[in-house]
Amino acid sequence: AQSVTQLDSQVPVFEEAPVELRCNYSSSVSVYLFWYVQYPNQGLQLLLKYLSGSTLVKGINGFEAEFNKSQTSFHLRKPSVHISDTAEYFCAVSDWAGRRALTFGSGTRLQVQP
Amino acid sequence: ETGVTQTPRHLVMGMTNKKSLKCEQHLGHNAMYWYKQSAKKPLELMFVYSLEERVENNSVPSRFSPECPNSSHLFLHLHTLQPEDSALYLCASSQIRSGADTIYFGEGSWLTVV
Repeated sequence: AQSVTQLDSQVPVFEEAPVELRCNYSSSVSVYLFWYVQYPNQGLQLLLKYLSGSTLVKGINGFEAEFNKSQTSFHLRKPSVHISDTAEYFCAVSDWAGRRALTFGSGTRLQVQP
Repeated sequence: ETGVTQTPRHLVMGMTNKKSLKCEQHLGHNAMYWYKQSAKKPLELMFVYSLEERVENNSVPSRFSPECPNSSHLFLHLHTLQPEDSALYLCASSQIRSGADTIYFGEGSWLTVV
């Protein structure tokens, strides 16, 4: 079985400050890792994903994430946030062990303040 | 037009009603999904239809009944629901190749059971 833990339910941050949203996973097999964003009243949109290769993955809107196998983490970062980044962020894992879908974390609400 | 379209966007129904949620994907994908999103809980996978196979989460009550007449359309039939079933129901689709497939979400159907 696989699981995803997002350690922070809410992260308040001031505009133009850096931010890190934490994600840890557990799985008995190799995994693929994803970050999705959900803006108010919208569905989820893919930010970035890790498949293999370089452990630093760059996504849309200036976000990046680093895969750390030894710490089973996939933290999301942005060096300078904007008001428009206010949204819910979900980490997800797929282990392709017969399941054809993602397991999601409970989400982190990023609140960017002026 | 978005790739995954859900109707209705909002639905209020009584516990004795029968209603259906509809989803249509315009991306040519071969897999479709229903997820349930409740406040402060991880997204819960309810059903997956892929390559003409149905996979379901055994914890989903029988008052939820999916139907997938073809690869572009997915329904969720609802009957005798409970107030705790009030949630955002998200439809999604993907092209099955490997566990690294990106899943594309619709904007969701807000369901309120009174």
